[in-house]
Amino acid sequence: AQKITQTQPGMFVQEKEAVTLDCTYDTSDPSYGLFWYKQPSSGEMIFLIYQGSYDQQNATEGRYSLNFQKARKSANLVISASQLGDSAMYFCAMSSNDYKLSFGAGTTVTVRA
Amino acid sequence: GAVVSQHPSRVICKSGTSVKIECRSLDFQATTMFWYRQFPKQSLMLMATSNEGSKATYEQGVEKDKFLINHASLTLSTLTVTSAHPEDSSFYICSASPANQGTQYFGPGTRLLVL
Repeated sequence: AQKITQTQPGMFVQEKEAVTLDCTYDTSDPSYGLFWYKQPSSGEMIFLIYQGSYDQQNATEGRYSLNFQKARKSANLVISASQLGDSAMYFCAMSSNDYKLSFGAGTTVTVRA
Repeated sequence: GAVVSQHPSRVICKSGTSVKIECRSLDFQATTMFWYRQFPKQSLMLMATSNEGSKATYEQGVEKDKFLINHASLTLSTLTVTSAHPEDSSFYICSASPANQGTQYFGPGTRLLVL
């Protein structure tokens, strides 16, 4: 069974600063994928970044980077230079061979001006 | 690319009626689509996996006779909530993956309110 843990229910960050969202996972599958999605108040799920379990380098997408530490089973998301529009709920998710996604509980990020 | 639409975005219905929600992949073909349910302030819970041309696979605890799923084509899956009750009120969201890709792209979701 797969499990995703996000221990931070909510976080505040000052505009233009960086914020790290924690995510740990547990799986017995040797091959898996890790995802981060953003969900604003409108409800849509926006794909941010993907990391494969065999990828050697940490994934980056613009202001988003994924700090992948395989031995620790962690996949933290770093948002650099926070903007007011980054205020949203952020979900960490994991998939394995059947492509099903298991989601963490989510972290609410509030960016302050 | 990888755009998924859902219709309707919001629906209010009376208890006992059925509601159909459509999920379409607009610019790619999806042999598999997924249906999720999300209650306020909670995470997404997978309800079922919709497979084109075959029966859907339901997660444990999800009633297949209550939540009917039809995947009629490579770009369309529908979820019908039958005999809806107030406890079925929730945010329903679908996702789809382009062939040979693991990333799921989500529709904008449907807010269902059953009175």
